Amino acid sequence: QVHLVESGGGVVQPGTSLRLSCAGSEFTFSSYALHWVRQAPGKGLEWVAVISYDGHKVYYADSVRGRFTISRDNSRNTLYLQMSSLRVEDTAVYYCARASHDYGEACDYWGQGTLVTVSS
Amino acid sequence: QSALTQPASVSGSPGQSITISCTGTSSDVGGYDFVSWYQQFPGKAPKLIIYEVSDRPSGVSNRFSGSKSGNTASLTISGLQAEDEADYYCSSYTSLDTYVFGTGTKVTVL
Repeated sequence: QVHLVESGGGVVQPGTSLRLSCAGSEFTFSSYALHWVRQAPGKGLEWVAVISYDGHKVYYADSVRGRFTISRDNSRNTLYLQMSSLRVEDTAVYYCARASHDYGEACDYWGQGTLVTVSS
Repeated sequence: QSALTQPASVSGSPGQSITISCTGTSSDVGGYDFVSWYQQFPGKAPKLIIYEVSDRPSGVSNRFSGSKSGNTASLTISGLQAEDEADYYCSSYTSLDTYVFGTGTKVTVL
């Protein structure tokens, strides 16, 4: 069974940085593109970023471009999201999700999420 | 990158059919067949229920169906059941090689 497990969330002050991790298992990690998606408390889903299977292509939502960096280490089966210049509005549960080969690159497996709270 | 527009809520009685719309632009929903739908229960991660506009992943009930016309995609739930009460989100690939989610729809079974 495919597993994605996020970690690294916590409470941080505005303007600071934080790095999230997402460990994948029970699938060929290096063969899949991966997404970060976030959900502010009581709000809807917001797509954040995607990285290609080999890490060569990355794309970001306008709301995070220039502040967040998505990366991956296929040797460690781990996806990262480096977040800097954090704002109160970045407060959310952050999910990592796998882009499926079988389902038109839609996200077929998701982690349980990690909560990031940006507050002074 | 504006969110796709969905109705905030839709309700129906058990056994009825309901339809949730998802309106975007020619740069996302209207331009590509990479529209997907997700079901989310409170406190849980989303679950993929429709991909490429109208296809269902294995294991998803055939009571869920999807379609698209122009810049608007739709999710229909037939034979509504109490267990279908959840939040539903559409998503689309965009011309900028990014993705966008809909605003979300809360489905209530009366």
